[in-house]
Amino acid sequence: SQQGEEDPQALSIQEGENATMNCSYKTSINNLQWYRQNSGRGLVHLILIRSNEREKHSGRLRVTLDTSKKSSSLLITASRAADTASYFCATDRTNFGNEKLTFGTGTRLTIIP
Amino acid sequence: DAGVTQSPTHLIKTRGQHVTLRCSPISGHKSVSWYQQVLGQGPQFIFQYYEKEERGRGNFPDRFSARQFPNYSSELNVNALLLGDSALYLCASSLRAGFLANYGYTFGSGTRLTVV
Repeated sequence: SQQGEEDPQALSIQEGENATMNCSYKTSINNLQWYRQNSGRGLVHLILIRSNEREKHSGRLRVTLDTSKKSSSLLITASRAADTASYFCATDRTNFGNEKLTFGTGTRLTIIP
Repeated sequence: DAGVTQSPTHLIKTRGQHVTLRCSPISGHKSVSWYQQVLGQGPQFIFQYYEKEERGRGNFPDRFSARQFPNYSSELNVNALLLGDSALYLCASSLRAGFLANYGYTFGSGTRLTVV
């Protein structure tokens, strides 16, 4: 079953605008990760935020985490055509070496040149 | 350093057949995980292996099995294929997970399995 839900399911914006995607999850986590997937191929890791962190930046990416609301957001600033992809949040609930990522349903982002 | 490599890239099988998918993790990574991604959905966890031992299993039938070899490469086997097994199968390797993790998982490009 899916742990999280991304919102919106699809997003289209003009190049240069900012894109915000949200993720909600159901249970306690060790960390939350965001991945990008182009054209149904492999996932590319973007950023990881630990459960004791509230905000993290990486280049044009900004991630927030609110463990009380069990939600996270991914902001991509100054979007580019190359950012067109599907974006997934994934929660890590690794316990005693049992590693498992639980993915959300994804947001399909389209950047219009 | 090579990334996570998966083979084959594409595969077409007939219902009832058996399939073996292969994965080589990043050098130095001892943990390998397998995920199934059906079109339009997020990846679903199938198995995780660490040091050749199964550490986790998702909600998949016994037709799915896997193993990890001494060189940390891994195979995913699916018996008695069904049409619903058609999906992108992703392999991921990691150095460290959980609360101590600093980096995410590295995924391979996947094997696209089509069952006809």
